Amino acid sequence: DVKVTQSSRYLVKRTGEKVFLECVQDMDHENMFWYRQDPGLGLRLIYFSYDVKMKEKGDIPEGYSVSREKKERFSLILESASTNQTSMYLCASSSRFEQYFGPGTRLTVT
Amino acid sequence: ELKVEQNPLFLSMQEGKNYTIYCNYSTTSDRLYWYRQDPGKSLESLFVLLSNGAVKQEGRLMASLDTKARLSTLHITAAVHDLSATYFCAVDIGNSGYALNFGKGTSLLVTP
Repeated sequence: DVKVTQSSRYLVKRTGEKVFLECVQDMDHENMFWYRQDPGLGLRLIYFSYDVKMKEKGDIPEGYSVSREKKERFSLILESASTNQTSMYLCASSSRFEQYFGPGTRLTVT
Repeated sequence: ELKVEQNPLFLSMQEGKNYTIYCNYSTTSDRLYWYRQDPGKSLESLFVLLSNGAVKQEGRLMASLDTKARLSTLHITAAVHDLSATYFCAVDIGNSGYALNFGKGTSLLVTP
């Protein structure tokens, strides 16, 4: 079975902190994605990566950056956390079509 | 910009009844996905539809895709309480590393 893991299920951070969300997949997938989910808005794509060290902006990249130094790991970085980044963050990976999602990280910025 | 619209967004139905959730999208695509999400949980893949006319069934759920109409349906037959969840459709247009564009989700509640 494909497994996508995320470093934390719940995080509470203060405004202005630098926040790292980690995602690891064990199926040698080329593509990895970060989405955020907010009530009434569905899931929105923040960034994705189709290869090591490659990254592309999604629909809402402002305030975020990413890092992919190894194929299995894709990190989302909030450079200076703000309260409007309080959300559920979901990581996913795929080799081609079907995406497999991690359990999610619920981030609260106070 | 690709838009994905689901309706209804909220659905309360009695056990044993049938109903259909609709997913319309605005740009040509041959790939449509349905996911289920339980409260506080991540997304679980239900169906992957990869061509026009594709139909897939699993238990009481059946999904279909009409790429010409840019429409997918998720049909629920004889609903049971265990189907209560939020259902998302998603579309990829193949030029973003297969990144998905999601609808806002349909929150389904099945009551006795």
